Amino acid sequence: GEDVEQSLFLSVREGDSSVINCTYTDSSSTYLYWYKQEPGAGLQLLTYIFSNMDMKQDQRLTVLLNKKDKHLSLRIADTQTGDSAIYFCAETQGGNTDKLIFGTGTRLQVFP
Amino acid sequence: GAVVSQHPSWVICKSGTSVKIECRSLDFQATTMFWYRQFPKQSLMLMATSNEGSKATYEQGVEKDKFLINHASLTLSTLTVTSAHPEDSSFYICSASSQEPEAFFGQGTRLTVV
Repeated sequence: GEDVEQSLFLSVREGDSSVINCTYTDSSSTYLYWYKQEPGAGLQLLTYIFSNMDMKQDQRLTVLLNKKDKHLSLRIADTQTGDSAIYFCAETQGGNTDKLIFGTGTRLQVFP
Repeated sequence: GAVVSQHPSWVICKSGTSVKIECRSLDFQATTMFWYRQFPKQSLMLMATSNEGSKATYEQGVEKDKFLINHASLTLSTLTVTSAHPEDSSFYICSASSQEPEAFFGQGTRLTVV
């Protein structure tokens, strides 16, 4: 199957770290992505990781990949109110880097 | 990152009419663009892959005669929703890739059919 699962909702206090989790099923995925969607807007590519890596850091964002467990996470350090949005993970369909399978999305709410 | 622009951002149309949505890559050429549909509070579902100069590839369950896709140039793909009905109301998003593995998304088009 091609199910990509995420928890639906996460609420954190401003300044804390947020960790958004994702599980996927296609072990042959080449790349895994994190996208951010604000209300009524399109998707913004945050970061991606190649499947042979286990970690990638980009400023406040840290992506961890456990390929054995097919688990992907996105950690946002020093979470700000502007980070409130829906976060989607996505996997490529096998070696086809053109086709993305999206997760169910996690709504992150940051409160002061 | 690269910029993908969609037009219009939102549209309201009457049942039975057709609506065209444009997706443009502004600062790069895209041989392949993708059209997604998103229902409220749900994930994105790939509808079709749009290939420049050739026919689009539709996902299973997507009616190709209802959702017409044209990719006339390396910077423009259009999605036409023909004979729209209220159940076609949704958020439609396109994406394009300038170079793998990054894909960039348009801002989306909210279609409401009344």
